[in-house]
Amino acid sequence: DQQVKQNSPSLSVQEGRISILNCDYTNSMFDYFLWYKKYPAEGPTFLISISSIKDKNEDGRFTVFLNKSAKHLSLHIVPSQPGDSAVYFCADLTSGSRLTFGEGTQLTVNP
Amino acid sequence: EAGVVQSPRYKIIEKKQPVAFWCNPISGHNTLYWYRQNLGQGPELLIRYENEEAVDDSQLPKDRFSAERLKGVDSTLKIQPAELGDSAVYLCASSSQTGSTEAFFGQGTRLTVV
Repeated sequence: DQQVKQNSPSLSVQEGRISILNCDYTNSMFDYFLWYKKYPAEGPTFLISISSIKDKNEDGRFTVFLNKSAKHLSLHIVPSQPGDSAVYFCADLTSGSRLTFGEGTQLTVNP
Repeated sequence: EAGVVQSPRYKIIEKKQPVAFWCNPISGHNTLYWYRQNLGQGPELLIRYENEEAVDDSQLPKDRFSAERLKGVDSTLKIQPAELGDSAVYLCASSSQTGSTEAFFGQGTRLTVV
């Protein structure tokens, strides 16, 4: 079974700087990795995804990098804004449509 | 377009009591998920429906949890009897098709068992 690990429970950055959120996984068999953002008292919302055949996907201020040899992916947010403060989850999507989430990283962007 | 709607938003019950959660997915979405999120953890899948069929319920504690999705639209998740360890946020999500990279989540139901 896939395991998805986010080893940093929290991250604090200054507004305008880069935020880098990290995620490690164990099983090389996957279709996509996704990032979700969650504000308090709300459900997670989809942010960006990357397929297993790519090593980078970019959408505006958000870029996800996939390093298959290291079984590692990261989400870069640049420039960071106070409204980006939320919990970020990485999730693996394998065949069968099961999303396996990491533990989440609380990002705080300070003005 | 309305998003995924869940009710109630909050529920406090005594242990050993039954509880039910309701979910209305986005119109036209065939795939519906129930997730449980414990404090400080990521959501964990309980059950996935394709239309009215439960296609993945391997992580649903079947001794006390049950779910149904009548007519392939709304869904209910029930716990009977509830235990203290069931305190969590229960999230419903839907997607337009199997394998879709984007699932849309409701706001969740926060259950507290005392």
